[in-house]
Amino acid sequence: EAGVVQSPRYKIIEKKQPVAFWCNPISGHNTLYWYLQNLGQGPELLIRYENEEAVDDSQLPKDRFSAERLKGVDSTLKIQPAELGDSAVYLCASSSTSSWTDTQYFGPGTRLTVL
Amino acid sequence: ELKVEQNPLFLSMQEGKNYTIYCNYSTTSDRLYWYRQDPGKSLESLFVLLSNGAVKQEGRLMASLDTKARLSTLHITAAVHDLSATYFCAVDMDSNYQLIWGAGTKLIIKP
Repeated sequence: EAGVVQSPRYKIIEKKQPVAFWCNPISGHNTLYWYLQNLGQGPELLIRYENEEAVDDSQLPKDRFSAERLKGVDSTLKIQPAELGDSAVYLCASSSTSSWTDTQYFGPGTRLTVL
Repeated sequence: ELKVEQNPLFLSMQEGKNYTIYCNYSTTSDRLYWYRQDPGKSLESLFVLLSNGAVKQEGRLMASLDTKARLSTLHITAAVHDLSATYFCAVDMDSNYQLIWGAGTKLIIKP
């Protein structure tokens, strides 16, 4: 079974430029998460989707970040414009609410460097 | 405030030794997860603990949960170099699928 797929794996941009990350969750997983992880820290939730609906976006900086999950499968996270402080690893995870454990499975992440 | 605290944050040990990583959390929870992260890699699920007294074991790793003490432990037995990684615990507060993460314990096991 394929895991969570993310692209690109690495992205280097200059500040004020836009950037987008893509995530394909595990087949059949209805819940999708975007996290931000800074070096030496645990992940921080940005947004959680149940199917197409964003059910928790309270930690998403909506002035510059946006996300979508069309058709309840793939998702895109966008930053526009990027700031120096956005440099981090952006992780996508998915889970199934029909699973008793609700374990989240993570993709490899996108390492963003803003210059 | 919802908090998950891990200690130690850094641990260097010799192969063959035993050690325990602790995860304390600040409010009630019925789910606790342990993940492993290798440098530059993503998070890999190790254990899910769902009830008081739950104990899970995989190889040289054993995790346990005491919901009354709000404490989980990850015990390493006869450590080997391949277990070098950062270990995170995460707690599902109030069963709302939002995980609160510890800061991670960076474990280095020297041959």
